Amino acid sequence: GQNIDQPTEMTATEGAIVQINCTYQTSGFNGLFWYQQHAGEAPTFLSYNVLDGLEEKGRFSSFLSRSKGYSYLLLKELQMKDSASYLCAANTGRRALTFGSGTRLQVQP
Amino acid sequence: DTAVSQTPKYLVTQMGNDKSIKCEQNLGHDTMYWYKQDSKKFLKIMFSYNNKELIINETVPNRFSPKSPDKAHLNLHINSLELGDSAVYFCASSRASGSDEQFFGPGTRLTVL
Repeated sequence: GQNIDQPTEMTATEGAIVQINCTYQTSGFNGLFWYQQHAGEAPTFLSYNVLDGLEEKGRFSSFLSRSKGYSYLLLKELQMKDSASYLCAANTGRRALTFGSGTRLQVQP
Repeated sequence: DTAVSQTPKYLVTQMGNDKSIKCEQNLGHDTMYWYKQDSKKFLKIMFSYNNKELIINETVPNRFSPKSPDKAHLNLHINSLELGDSAVYFCASSRASGSDEQFFGPGTRLTVL
């Protein structure tokens, strides 16, 4: 079966750093995506990790540990516009993604 | 220059009706998908098409049928709509490889009364 867990909600302050965790148990695993989804909009791609380690892309970084079935998304210098849902998704090798339920991040002034 | 477009954006209909949602992508991608996002925001794969072949069908009721007239289009037909079908339906596309980023359409909010 496929199981992806992430916290339902998080709150952080503008300018701070926040880490959103994701754990997964899937039959077949090729990599881990992170998508951002603003309310009422489509998900948009943030990052894709295949190998263990940290990938940095501007204010956003994503980490993967395949042996632990664990990933996190790190957001630095938070801005109000970062308030959104962040979706963790596993590439299970069937040309489709298995998504977690998403973490709704609220950035406060 | 919309990459993945869907019509309609909103669809309100009665139980028992048959409806269709259209999706088009102008990215030259080989694979297209349909996802359902329910009220709890779970995004779940329904179908994907690669070069006109259905390659995934995630135990979706057979009232739902994808139709792909060509590589750039993947339409979703729904027969005998039920209350539980109310959700947001997203179309997406990617290059053939499963490791490629998926580009999502704006979504179609379906409400069944």
